[in-house]
Amino acid sequence: KAGVTQTPRYLIKTRGQQVTLSCSPISGHRSVSWYQQTPGQGLQFLFEYFSETQRNKGNFPGRFSGRQFSNSRSEMNVSTLELGDSALYLCASSLGGTEAYEQYFGPGTRLTVT
Amino acid sequence: AQSVTQLGSHVSVSEGALVLLRCNYSSSVPPYLFWYVQYPNQGLQLLLKYTSAATLVKGINGFEAEFKKSETSFHLTKPSAHMSDAAEYFCAVEPRGSTLGRLYFGRGTQLTVWP
Repeated sequence: KAGVTQTPRYLIKTRGQQVTLSCSPISGHRSVSWYQQTPGQGLQFLFEYFSETQRNKGNFPGRFSGRQFSNSRSEMNVSTLELGDSALYLCASSLGGTEAYEQYFGPGTRLTVT
Repeated sequence: AQSVTQLGSHVSVSEGALVLLRCNYSSSVPPYLFWYVQYPNQGLQLLLKYTSAATLVKGINGFEAEFKKSETSFHLTKPSAHMSDAAEYFCAVEPRGSTLGRLYFGRGTQLTVWP
């Protein structure tokens, strides 16, 4: 089975711009979670989608949003980029449902905001 | 809110020595527990998980972890370190209940293996 894929792998944007990151989960997985990883804050949960519905959301401003499509692929969008948004953005997929299925992570998208 | 503490941000061992990485959680109800490893410029790879079936959990690459409710701990061990084990290790918890799909991570432990 192919793993979780994320595109693009690297991105450089300017402050004030917006960006869209994409995540394709493992085939058959219906849950996609997004995390931000920075040296200062570590790994922080952004949001989770299951069957096109956002089930959980972390403590991030409204500039961070996401969505999930019927094929379980997910996108996250960051508007009005700030320097502090520079980070590795990881998505993870799992079977989802009502049990704690394992989350499998993609390689991440490295976003640099200048 | 869930809290995960990993004691020691850096651990150094010699090749062949025991690896012990510590993780404590704060929750009155034992959560689901996971260990992940991250190699440079890569995502996280699942090593093992605890869901409640057995307190000693075996994972990949010779790693195992023991759940101790009385100590609220889930320490990761490997009897004999290998050079390829050098990486950053993260302990994570997922609370039981409505926050399924959300992992809370510790700050990570960087493991260095000396030849």
